[in-house]
Amino acid sequence: AQSVTQPDIHITVSEGASLELRCNYSYGATPYLFWYVQSPGQGLQLLLKYFSGDTLVQGIKGFEAEFKRSQSSFNLRKPSVHWSDAAEYFCAVGDGNNDMRFGAGTRLTVKP
Amino acid sequence: NAGVTQTPKFQVLKTGQSMTLQCAQDMNHNSMYWYRQDPGMGLRLIYYSASEGTTDKGEVPNGYNVSRLNKREFSLRLESAAPSQTSVYFCASSEYGGGGTQYFGPGTRLLVL
Repeated sequence: AQSVTQPDIHITVSEGASLELRCNYSYGATPYLFWYVQSPGQGLQLLLKYFSGDTLVQGIKGFEAEFKRSQSSFNLRKPSVHWSDAAEYFCAVGDGNNDMRFGAGTRLTVKP
Repeated sequence: NAGVTQTPKFQVLKTGQSMTLQCAQDMNHNSMYWYRQDPGMGLRLIYYSASEGTTDKGEVPNGYNVSRLNKREFSLRLESAAPSQTSVYFCASSEYGGGGTQYFGPGTRLLVL
């Protein structure tokens, strides 16, 4: 089965600074890749997803992610972080059917 | 348009008690899912239903049963709760499996004593 690793449990960045959250996946076939965000006490919301085509995908709230097959990575980026971006971020990989595996999450703290 | 709703929001059980978590979606989605979220482990898929009348096991199905009552509703049952089932449970739905966006409910926080 597929699996996801998010190496960073917690990241702190200053407001206005750039952000990169790392995600590495393991899957033998073409992966379906997702980034979700979870605010405290809430469910998850999709930021962006990748299936095929252009390896740089744009999402909501100014986020983007780049798929690198050679590195089995799908890192999430944002050029300038806002205080409202503080949340937990989850990378996920699907098998093209209904089996979705999530990473353990990265908690983002934004310093004023 | 409420999206995905879950009841109850919070529940305390004693070991051995049973309960059913309810989930409903009003987006006419075909696929529905149950996940549990534990600290440091992300979300893990318990069961899913690709369409009305079908259910399949996910990554961690032991100790749980599910029912896809109709297209809108997908319930999760704990027959004999154990402390290891203390978790936050999320229901999600998707128009289709695979690459479809999953829409999540607000979660049910379950404490088993």
